[in-house]
Amino acid sequence: SQQGEEDPQALSIQEGENATMNCSYKTSINNLQWYRQNSGRGLVHLILIRSNEREKHSGRLRVTLDTSKKSSSLLITASRAADTASYFCATGHSTLTFGKGTMLLVSP
Amino acid sequence: SQTIHQWPATLVQPVGSPLSLECTVEGTSNPNLYWYRQAAGRGLQLLFYSVGIGQISSEVPQNLSASRPQDRQFILSSKKLLLSDSGFYLCACEPRGARGFYNSPLHFGNGTRLTVT
Repeated sequence: SQQGEEDPQALSIQEGENATMNCSYKTSINNLQWYRQNSGRGLVHLILIRSNEREKHSGRLRVTLDTSKKSSSLLITASRAADTASYFCATGHSTLTFGKGTMLLVSP
Repeated sequence: SQTIHQWPATLVQPVGSPLSLECTVEGTSNPNLYWYRQAAGRGLQLLFYSVGIGQISSEVPQNLSASRPQDRQFILSSKKLLLSDSGFYLCACEPRGARGFYNSPLHFGNGTRLTVT
């Protein structure tokens, strides 16, 4: 399976700082997706980046993809306490496989 | 846009008891449906997926089964729960025909937290 693996497992920052999370995967992909999960809730889709794209933006989110290194990063700029959540990357050709996630804590 | 309803939100069941979790979808027709399980502090494990009524694919051999009696209804069941069945169960959907070359984003319900005692 093409399992993404996020790094770091946990990240603690102050409001206003930027947060960077990384994802590595094992085999070729068609696209890579990032999701967010608030504690005790379902996942929410954030952004999808296709294999022929290198960078994508959505509001304060910036995702990069390096297929040669089989890695992706999610950058959240000017973080807010409300960004506190777990973030997952997911890949797959037919069904999505999720990593274990990065738990982000943003302190006021 | 799709809305996914899961119930109950929490459930405590004794070992050996049966289980039935229901997921219904609004706002789309002929969706692909998925059941994932999330253990504490871990990622999501795909359990079952369905591309149509009565069509179920199992990803992991286990004590669970799934059924899709209607287009927008997906049910997860067990005849006898084990302690290891505890976890957070999530139902998800994506537009029909999305599987394959380009995956579409999944829409998730808010999950059912199952504790087997």
